[in-house]
Amino acid sequence: ETAVFQTPNYHVTQVGNEVSFNCKQTLGHDTMYWYKQDSKKLLKIMFSYNNKQLIVNETVPRRFSPQSSDKAHLNLRIKSVEPEDSAVYLCASSLGISGNTLYFGEGSRLIVV
Amino acid sequence: AQKVTQTQTSISVMEKTTVTMDCVYETQDSSYFLFWYKQTASGEIVFLIRQDSYKKENATVGHYSLNFQKPKSSIGLIITATQIEDSAVYFCAMREMVTGNTRKLIFGLGTTLQVQP
Repeated sequence: ETAVFQTPNYHVTQVGNEVSFNCKQTLGHDTMYWYKQDSKKLLKIMFSYNNKQLIVNETVPRRFSPQSSDKAHLNLRIKSVEPEDSAVYLCASSLGISGNTLYFGEGSRLIVV
Repeated sequence: AQKVTQTQTSISVMEKTTVTMDCVYETQDSSYFLFWYKQTASGEIVFLIRQDSYKKENATVGHYSLNFQKPKSSIGLIITATQIEDSAVYFCAMREMVTGNTRKLIFGLGTTLQVQP
C-alpha cells in the first residue's frame, strides 16, 4: 500500500517553463529524497532532507531546487526546464539517515517538448 | 568510490522455476546495507529484501532470499517458484556513506526479469 504520495503523476511542458512536483509521506519518517530515473532506467539521487534540513545535494543544475516545509513534505521545483530534464522523478522516505530502508512513491513523469 | 554492478541486463525464465540475479558491489565501509527493489510495469518501486553486512545469515522474505557472499562482495537475489507477476525490473542497491552517519542509496542498472507461462 502506497504511503509516499506524489503529484502530479505526469506532466508535459515546454522548454523554459517552470514545473513543481509535490511529495508527501504518511509513514512518520524523518528523511526524504528525490531521485531521477532516466530513459535507461538509471536511478540517481538528487537531494535528501532530514527534518527539513538538506543533507545530500548531488551535482544537479541550479534550476532544480528542493523545498521542505516539514519532515513529511518535500517538493521539487524546476525553473526553466530543458529537454534533458525529461525523466521520471521519484520521491522516497526513510526513518533516519543511515541504513534504513527507503520507500518510494509512484513517480512523476516529466516530458519536456 | 562505491559502486553497484548488475551484469545481467535481462533474464527470461519459465513460471514456477527458480531464478538468481547477480549483484556485486564495491565499498570501503566496514559496515554497510544492501537492498533489492523491484520496479513494476507501472513504474512503482517496491522494496523486497535487505541484508545488513554484519549479519552472517542470508535474509529471506517470502519467496525471495539472498545469497550474501561477503568475501566476494556479492549479494545475489533468489526468487523461488516464480510467478508471472514477478516480471519486472530488479534493482540491487547499497547505502553509501556520504559523511558521518549520512548515507545515500545508490543503485545498479537493473535486471529485467521476464517470467513466461
